[in-house]
Amino acid sequence: DSGVTQTPKHLITATGQRVTLRCSPRSGDLSVYWYQQSLDQGLQFLIQYYNGEERAKGNILERFSAQQFPDLHSELNLSSLELGDSALYFCASSPPGGQTYNEQFFGPGTRLTVL
Amino acid sequence: AQSVSQHNHHVILSEAASLELGCNYSYGGTVNLFWYVQYPGQHLQLLLKYFSGDPLVKGIKGFEAEFIKSKFSFNLRKPSVQWSDTAEYFCAVRDRGGNTPLVFGKGTRLSVIA
Repeated sequence: DSGVTQTPKHLITATGQRVTLRCSPRSGDLSVYWYQQSLDQGLQFLIQYYNGEERAKGNILERFSAQQFPDLHSELNLSSLELGDSALYFCASSPPGGQTYNEQFFGPGTRLTVL
Repeated sequence: AQSVSQHNHHVILSEAASLELGCNYSYGGTVNLFWYVQYPGQHLQLLLKYFSGDPLVKGIKGFEAEFIKSKFSFNLRKPSVQWSDTAEYFCAVRDRGGNTPLVFGKGTRLSVIA
């Protein structure tokens, strides 16, 4: 158990819908990262937040957005869902500062199925 | 942008065989290197990491990796695999300095047969 929690574990929804995925980082970690894992694209970095502020952006679609709240949990919002959005969505967190900042701890993931 | 290549998509080995999984990243500069493992149905777990110092890094479960800067490589090795090593293995690289994301390879699926 990495200490990073994600809910829900599974999510099944229809095209065109909107869903929210939730992540709680390890205690003391300020950074939260979101990744999408699909069979064809592998593990793709979406976005990073550090202490409530967006820090880095990867291959995140405009239909997707995220935020990090004052208690440091983060939510990833996916809207106008398409079949191709079906994937595993991982959240990771890392400690503040120093070399350890580079090490990321992953949550169990949310498996999203869009029908 | 940084990219990571894992040359083997799927590796099948018998128990007790030796393992080497290749990983190359695209360009130099100072990097931090990681190998993660994902067991079936589970999340990614850190196997080992290289930040600086001795380029031969030892990780958990008998795994090790060697950083060869001149080859932009960070290959993962294990002298004798077990059935329980069946998993997907991901190499990841992060450019040190600045705020850059962790870049993952596409992963290598390892199947260990009895």
